[in-house]
Amino acid sequence: AQSVTQPDIHITVSEGASLELRCNYSYGATPYLFWYVQSPGQGLQLLLKYFSGDTLVQGIKGFEAEFKRSQSSFNLRKPSVHWSDAAEYFCAVGAFDGNEKLTFGTGTRLTIIP
Amino acid sequence: DAGVIQSPRHEVTEMGQEVTLRCKPISGHNSLFWYRQTMMRGLELLIYFNNNVPIDDSGMPEDRFSAKMPNASFSTLKIQPSEPRDSAVYFCASSPGLSNQPQHFGDGTRLSIL
Repeated sequence: AQSVTQPDIHITVSEGASLELRCNYSYGATPYLFWYVQSPGQGLQLLLKYFSGDTLVQGIKGFEAEFKRSQSSFNLRKPSVHWSDAAEYFCAVGAFDGNEKLTFGTGTRLTIIP
Repeated sequence: DAGVIQSPRHEVTEMGQEVTLRCKPISGHNSLFWYRQTMMRGLELLIYFNNNVPIDDSGMPEDRFSAKMPNASFSTLKIQPSEPRDSAVYFCASSPGLSNQPQHFGDGTRLSIL
């Protein structure tokens, strides 16, 4: 079975600073990987996804993520954060076995300071 | 395009009462998922359907919970009888029905059992 670890529960960054949110997964083969963002009172919105091919994937809102098989990681990055990026971020992993279940990490709460 | 629509957005009821949560998936999506989100347990998959058939209900906590999908455009999650520990945000999500396609989430139902 697959699993996901988001080691940072809460991160605080200054507006305009760069951001990296960590995600480590466990799965026996190449997984499907997703990053979602959740604003207060709302559902999860897809930021980006990785299935195969180019290991650097671009998403919405200026986010990108890099799949590193050797490190079992799929870290989310943004070169310059905006106050509107304050939210909860979830990494999720799915399998190539026909089952559509996703395993979500516990989330990282991002706070932006002026 | 209309997204996943959930109703009600908020529900407050007394323990022992029956609770019914509703979901309308995105038109054309073949898979539907019910999740529960709490501070303690994070985001948990309760059940998912493909082409209106339950595929995996291993996350349904107990017999008090039941889910149905009578047609491609409607699903319900029912709790009877409800208990205070059922208080959570319940999300519905839908996807096109392939394991490499992302799930699209509704805005959730915040359920409080007094």
